[in-house]
Amino acid sequence: SYELTQPPSVSVSPGQTANITCSGDKLGDKYCSWYQQKPGQSPVLVIYHGSRRPSGIPERFSGSDSGNSATLTISGTQTMDEADYYCQAWDSSTAAGVFGGGTRLTVV
Amino acid sequence: QVQLQESGPGLVKPSETLSLTCTVSSGSISSYYWSWIRQPPGKGLEWIGFMSSSGNTNHNPALRSRVTISMETSKNQFSLKVNSLTAADTAVYYCARGRFGDFSRYYYYHLDVWGKGTTVIVSS
Repeated sequence: SYELTQPPSVSVSPGQTANITCSGDKLGDKYCSWYQQKPGQSPVLVIYHGSRRPSGIPERFSGSDSGNSATLTISGTQTMDEADYYCQAWDSSTAAGVFGGGTRLTVV
Repeated sequence: QVQLQESGPGLVKPSETLSLTCTVSSGSISSYYWSWIRQPPGKGLEWIGFMSSSGNTNHNPALRSRVTISMETSKNQFSLKVNSLTAADTAVYYCARGRFGDFSRYYYYHLDVWGKGTTVIVSS
């Protein structure tokens, strides 16, 4: 089955840039989405089609992809951005959605 | 603004069947790919499957033999059944609205509206 791999945790200082990576075989040939989940809340879509932001998502969130990886970048990270982040893609070979294991972003 | 709300039993016994319903309000269930996702306690998200408004379904290969997704368009609802439950099925179950298609040679699928989730505990 297709797997997406994320680092378990990323730490960043307020105002700095956070980069969260997601890797998978030929991920650059798929559209990656990113979700933010705060404790006790439902996930929220923050990036889709690899780099597009839904309305209402701050401009400091951006996405990119290349080769076998995708990256969620949060510029000027704020304490409110502290959350778990999940990447997700569609695997055509199994016709199934796949989530990465999630990355806990700590802003300290 | 479309809203989704899950409903169903919070406690089910091992070996039994879980039945959950998601009610879609302030929007039509026509179009889109109506999806189920779950999250075991302290763990990550797991995709369960979806049903399109035209009736096509796709499921997680690991769960396919135990999962049924259906839709009742007249009630603006879609449902999930999971049979042969074990403790490993204990999780928060979310319903979500999915967008699926192909764009510039690649398939896309993302979930743009989520329900609040419902906790299901499998225990005798």
